[in-house]
Amino acid sequence: GESVGLHLPTLSVQEGDNSIINCAYSNSASDYFIWYKQESGKGPQFIIDIRSNMDKRQGQRVTVLLNKTVKHLSLQIAATQPGDSAVYFCAEGLRDDKIIFGKGTRLHILP
Amino acid sequence: EAGVVQSPRYKIIEKKQPVAFWCNPISGHNTLYWYLQNLGQGPELLIRYENEEAVDDSQLPKDRFSAERLKGVDSTLKIQPAELGDSAVYLCASRSNSNEQFFGPGTRLTVL
Repeated sequence: GESVGLHLPTLSVQEGDNSIINCAYSNSASDYFIWYKQESGKGPQFIIDIRSNMDKRQGQRVTVLLNKTVKHLSLQIAATQPGDSAVYFCAEGLRDDKIIFGKGTRLHILP
Repeated sequence: EAGVVQSPRYKIIEKKQPVAFWCNPISGHNTLYWYLQNLGQGPELLIRYENEEAVDDSQLPKDRFSAERLKGVDSTLKIQPAELGDSAVYLCASRSNSNEQFFGPGTRLTVL
């Protein structure tokens, strides 16, 4: 069965606010974790990844937090914009280069 | 730089018919993946190639699905015969040396 999943299927956020998308995983042997963004009619787009020996990584307007104690991963998007509307997937990367995706969270931006 | 190219973008066929999808990865990417994505779900790996070698096809239903990557560049994924449950989006992705996989737009297959 799947080892990666998401807490909420849909998240609505006011434009300009920060978004936090959560993910739980069960495989302790994951080597790294990745967040993908998928817009309608397109393939998933890499946002940011984090190695399993890190607990935080920042990108442009995004921050990924990894809590290995509770096997929890989150993606924080600062100052959410209309263009951030999409489905967000967390995925875990295994040492054999296999990536396992979770179910996805749809992010709605409210005007 | 051109991204991953897939064709066709959409395909509608009747059950029991064959269908084929084509993928052209990003130039220089040795690793190529085929995924299946059902509505509302994350992509599920079907097969992974390192150059022309299929290194992980454990999730490929080999009774009806086949894939090839001749010359280690373009790849085709075939279903014969298609079943109603095969309706999904078929995604191709490629990767160089980093963790980042680049996905194509996918082929949306509808089996009637």
